[in-house]
Amino acid sequence: ETAVFQTPNYHVTQVGNEVSFNCKQTLGHDTMYWYKQDSKKLLKIMFSYNNKQLIVNETVPRRFSPQSSDKAHLNLRIKSVEPEDSAVYLCASRKRGAAIYEQYFGPGTRLTVL
Amino acid sequence: GQQVKQSSPSLTVQEGGISILNCDYENDMFDYFAWYKKYPDNSPTLLISVRSNVDKREDGRLTVFLNKSGKHFSLHITASQPEDTAVYLCAGGGGSNYKLTFGKGTLLTVTP
Repeated sequence: ETAVFQTPNYHVTQVGNEVSFNCKQTLGHDTMYWYKQDSKKLLKIMFSYNNKQLIVNETVPRRFSPQSSDKAHLNLRIKSVEPEDSAVYLCASRKRGAAIYEQYFGPGTRLTVL
Repeated sequence: GQQVKQSSPSLTVQEGGISILNCDYENDMFDYFAWYKKYPDNSPTLLISVRSNVDKREDGRLTVFLNKSGKHFSLHITASQPEDTAVYLCAGGGGSNYKLTFGKGTLLTVTP
């Protein structure tokens, strides 16, 4: 079954460490997103990539950097994690085409920063 | 401020009843409105969506009502069932980057 895959499912680390999350979609979509769902359950967009190019970069700290090798992959690196980075990170993809908003989400990566 | 608001964090409905979930938005540029369903520890999945040129859309037990002048849209679930128990997220979208802005969600609990 084609879908949006994320690894790892969970990650626990200490303040100051670097972490990297992977996302791959097999839906043939051109646009991919990273969202952060914080403790208040609000799902907020962080980045959007279209065909390996960054098209949306919300106000996120510089320690967050997305990395895209091709349109099917969009990874997220956090250079030096802080306690407020504890959250669920969700990857999503969108089919190419005008006025198509539907997004398909991965299962999420839950990050806990000690 | 929050651009998309779901004022009720939770809602409990008896089985067979109608569930009404509400969403308010601020952005005049939104022309796409959607409801996503999320089970615990699962990712959100799209339930139903409408464009701004319609004020109502039905799909089985689901109906979305859009009130653009009031910047409000709602999801009605008729004949609610225990398996409808989940978090429902509303989202608005608009503009050239097709970005979605989500509400915080409403936990719907359908009791037998």
